[in-house]
Amino acid sequence: QKEVEQNSGPLSVPEGAIASLNCTYSDRVSQSFFWYRQYSGKSPELIMSIYSNGDKEDGRFTAQLNKASQYVSLLIRDSQPSDSATYLCAVKVNRDDKIIFGKGTRLHILP
Amino acid sequence: GAVVSQHPSWVICKSGTSVKIECRSLDFQATTMFWYRQFPKQSLMLMATSNEGSKATYEQGVEKDKFLINHASLTLSTLTVTSAHPEDSSFYICSARAGVRDQPQHFGDGTRLSIL
Repeated sequence: QKEVEQNSGPLSVPEGAIASLNCTYSDRVSQSFFWYRQYSGKSPELIMSIYSNGDKEDGRFTAQLNKASQYVSLLIRDSQPSDSATYLCAVKVNRDDKIIFGKGTRLHILP
Repeated sequence: GAVVSQHPSWVICKSGTSVKIECRSLDFQATTMFWYRQFPKQSLMLMATSNEGSKATYEQGVEKDKFLINHASLTLSTLTVTSAHPEDSSFYICSARAGVRDQPQHFGDGTRLSIL
């Protein structure tokens, strides 16, 4: 069973709409969750960290965590063409020192 | 804050050459640094985890004698690809984490390695 799963996409969203990116994880005791954005040919850039159930908002981004369902999501409001990128979900595995990355969801914002 | 510098950004060299990549945390002390490799259109693959002053922990399938990692200080880790071959051509990315384990990793800009 894959530890962190994401739909690979591409997910196409009209400019100005809300983009919703989802991620599920298998390790029930995971405590730390991260969303990274990666542009083609570039390294990942941290967007959000979330550690407790509920919503966490930062500008146009909202991360949502539901530990009971083992699910974390990222909402991007007022999507812009510059948001077009691959979004990586990452989960800190408590038994270990590393974080596990999903394969990423390619997001395409349509102008 | 949390800036990680990686150098060089691009390397082209002949087969058999050894290549050293540096990763520096510029505005924080990185107790732990990570080295990843990413092939085109693939996900990040963790190669090894290094803690300052101790030996790196390599992931399964990664040859420790080929990919030498040194983490001599709280702000610098190096990855040396020894006797590089064309199949080692890839995008190598380091990340650094300050302090406690629950903190996020911050990535360098990556090094694109091309072995001719």
